[in-house]
Amino acid sequence: DGGITQSPKYLFRKEGQNVTLSCEQNLNHDAMYWYRQDPGQGLRLIYYSQIVNDFQKGDIAEGYSVSREKKESFPLTVTSAQKNPTAFYLCASRDLNQPQHFGDGTRLSIL
Amino acid sequence: GQNIDQPTEMTATEGAIVQINCTYQTSGFNGLFWYQQHAGEAPTFLSYNVLDGLEEKGRFSSFLSRSKGYSYLLLKELQMKDSASYLCAAYTNAGKSTFGDGTTLTVKP
Repeated sequence: DGGITQSPKYLFRKEGQNVTLSCEQNLNHDAMYWYRQDPGQGLRLIYYSQIVNDFQKGDIAEGYSVSREKKESFPLTVTSAQKNPTAFYLCASRDLNQPQHFGDGTRLSIL
Repeated sequence: GQNIDQPTEMTATEGAIVQINCTYQTSGFNGLFWYQQHAGEAPTFLSYNVLDGLEEKGRFSSFLSRSKGYSYLLLKELQMKDSASYLCAAYTNAGKSTFGDGTTLTVKP
């Protein structure tokens, strides 16, 4: 079945450590997105990519980095510069003018 | 810039109809999407509008007025399982998305 796979489901970060969240899709979608969701809040856009080897900052990109070397993959790195990384992270993909398909999310916590 | 507003909470009775409103201010607007999200889960797609008018999909319908920057999601024949958060999201021509903070709907017997 086609879909989006995020891993791991739960992740713990130590102080000063970078961590990378994986997002893989086999839907052949051009566009991919990363969102952060805090309790009781909506989704806030971190980064998005419309095509391979290109990506743009969203509304809250500081402390995060991404790469888009392959169409299927859009990993997100949460760097030590992100001082409040505890949140639910969602990856999504879509075709032009079509709805987004979301992965099941990764919950990141600080040790 | 982009800004989206929707009510924080709504309550309705099982079997009734509820309308969730969403207003937006989006440069380069290219579509308004509605998603449902149950607690602890990823959002799932419900309905979308690119042009003005009403789109109907079973018990769910969505309306858009581009000139007014306004959309609503209409849920008919409410069921207890419809208790969830409903998110509206506006997209731009460049593919950027902005989500509202969500409307938590509680359906009571």
